[in-house]
Amino acid sequence: DAGVTQSPTHLIKTRGQQVTLRCSPKSGHDTVSWYQQALGQGPQFIFQYYEEEERQRGNFPDRFSGHQFPNYSSELNVNALLLGDSALYLCASSLNRFYEQYFGPGTRLTVT
Amino acid sequence: SQQGEEDPQALSIQEGENATMNCSYKTSINNLQWYRQNSGRGLVHLILIRSNEREKHSGRLRVTLDTSKKSSSLLITASRAADTASYFCATVGSSNTGKLIFGQGTTLQVKP
Repeated sequence: DAGVTQSPTHLIKTRGQQVTLRCSPKSGHDTVSWYQQALGQGPQFIFQYYEEEERQRGNFPDRFSGHQFPNYSSELNVNALLLGDSALYLCASSLNRFYEQYFGPGTRLTVT
Repeated sequence: SQQGEEDPQALSIQEGENATMNCSYKTSINNLQWYRQNSGRGLVHLILIRSNEREKHSGRLRVTLDTSKKSSSLLITASRAADTASYFCATVGSSNTGKLIFGQGTTLQVKP
């Protein structure tokens, strides 16, 4: 049984560019949450998707958007990248939003 | 923004010793969870304690929760070099939406 997978593992982008990160949830899970973790900090909640809709959102600008597909996989899109967007982006899945979250290995984004 | 603080920020002990980490939070919670993170990669769920529980055990882990003080502690007994990692507490608010709010983390080094 595969756990949560994320792609790519690492990514380098230039300021102003756009990026798409992908997440496949653990088998049987229907809820996906995204977190941003800056170096030396704890993860910060970006948003949560359930039934293909954004159900909750953290304190992130509209440059951060997402999508959930019918197979429950999810994408995180960030437009107009800033240097401060450099971070580890973590995806977590759960069996609906009330249960324990399982995290993927993360995507390390570097903006230059 | 972070929910609370973890103390200490860094801890260095010898193999076989016990390690205690503390977490404080600010708002009412449904549950509190502890995660481990190795080398800036994905988070591994360790234990969940609900707001109506005071203590929970899992193997060498013991978690306590004091809702009157809005604090929790994680005790790792008989530590091993493999326990070297960053440890984070995360809370789920009383509305139980599944959104995790993380602390800053404690970096634990266990010397062989």
